[in-house]
Amino acid sequence: NAGVTQTPKFRILKIGQSMTLQCTQDMNHNYMYWYRQDPGMGLKLIYYSVGAGITDKGEVPNGYNVSRSTTEDFPLRLELAAPSQTSVYFCASSYGSDSGDEQFFGPGTRLTVL
Amino acid sequence: DAKTTQPNSMESNEEEPVHLPCNHSTISGTDYIHWYRQLPSQGPEYVIHGLTSNVNNRMASLAIAEDRKSSTLILHRATLRDAAVYYCILRFFGNEKLTFGTGTRLTIIP
Repeated sequence: NAGVTQTPKFRILKIGQSMTLQCTQDMNHNYMYWYRQDPGMGLKLIYYSVGAGITDKGEVPNGYNVSRSTTEDFPLRLELAAPSQTSVYFCASSYGSDSGDEQFFGPGTRLTVL
Repeated sequence: DAKTTQPNSMESNEEEPVHLPCNHSTISGTDYIHWYRQLPSQGPEYVIHGLTSNVNNRMASLAIAEDRKSSTLILHRATLRDAAVYYCILRFFGNEKLTFGTGTRLTIIP
C-alpha cells in the first residue's frame, strides 16, 4: 500500500492564481482530512469528509474548497491564492471516527504564495 | 474543547528512557488521550492512545494519572530517529477531528 499520497511536493504561486492540491489514499478509508501547518505551529483542520459526496468545514476553511467524488480522492482547491495561504498542507485519512481510528498522514505539499 | 499543556522542548540522551508529560486538567470522561509525533519534514504519525488504563505498544507506553488530569508518553530507549515534535491530543469518542497544539520538540543527544 502506498498509503496517503499528495501532489505536488512543492509549489510556488503568484497572488491571485489558483491551484488544486491532490490527495489520494489506497486504504479504503471513509474519512479524509486537509490540514495546514504554519511555521512553528501545530496543524489546523481546513476541511474534512466522512465519505464520498460529504464534506464539512474545519477550523480554517476560508479561501479553500473541496470535493469528494470518490472514496480514494480528496482534492483541495485554492481559488485566489493569497500570501496568508503560504503553508505546508497535509492530507490524512482514517477508517472511521472511533477513538482508536488513527489518522494516516501524507508527506505534505509545501506552498509558497508570492 | 478540553486543552492540553506540554513543555515546548525537551532533551534526552540516546539510549535512555524519555518521559514526555502532558497536562489536561479539564479532560472529560469521554475524552481519549492520543499521541502523535511529527518527524522533521514529514506528516504526523500516530503513536498511541488510551482512556484510563496505561497502554503499551511497540513504539511507546502511555501512563495515565488516576485522576486523568495528566499523562506521560514514555519512550523506553530513545534513538536518534525519535527526534520529533510530540503532540498530546484529546479526542472525545466519536469525534473525527484532531486538534493539534504546538507539541513538545524532543531533541536526542548522541
